[in-house]
Amino acid sequence: GIQVEQSPPDLILQEGANSTLRCNFSDSVNNLQWFHQNPWGQLINLFYIPSGTKQNGRLSATTVATERYSLLYISSSQTTDSGVYFCAVLYNTDKLIFGTGTRLQVFP
Amino acid sequence: EAGVTQSPTHLIKTRGQQATLRCSPISGHTSVYWYQQALGLGLQFLLWYDEGEERNRGNFPPRFSGRQFPNYSSELNVNALELEDSALYLCASSFVASNQPQHFGDGTRLSIL
Repeated sequence: GIQVEQSPPDLILQEGANSTLRCNFSDSVNNLQWFHQNPWGQLINLFYIPSGTKQNGRLSATTVATERYSLLYISSSQTTDSGVYFCAVLYNTDKLIFGTGTRLQVFP
Repeated sequence: EAGVTQSPTHLIKTRGQQATLRCSPISGHTSVYWYQQALGLGLQFLLWYDEGEERNRGNFPPRFSGRQFPNYSSELNVNALELEDSALYLCASSFVASNQPQHFGDGTRLSIL
């Protein structure tokens, strides 16, 4: 089956810093989503991005489908950005396959 | 627009009992997905329902089952509960098509004592 790997597994930042999270996948996929899971367990949609680049405020994402990777950029990080970031790929038209996540901690 | 809603928020059961979790999709979405997030195991696909039919299931035993109702809401049933079933169960919905994003509810946290 398809493998989805995320790096780094853990990231500790001071408020105001920028960061880049990476998602590699081992096969062609139909779509790719980025999520933020907050400390209460809520999984929040960040981007639906099968290819190209999108921006939403301080966050942006780029997917290069031909090279099988996606990047999530967080600029001017805030303590509320803390949590776990997951990428997930849609494989074989139905289920999402999730990566192992990047745990981000932002300190004031 | 209301999002995906799940109930209950928390559920405490003992080994051997049965649990029923409920999910209401976003209006207009016909597909409902269930995922399990157990400690240390990540998010794993459980079941996919569309138009009232089970379309696919993940690598889980048959005691995990469910159904989808005519209004597209869904139930997940877990029989003969085991300690390892303790997890956050997340429901998602989407329009049925491979190029549509899935939207998640806030989850049901199931604890087995």
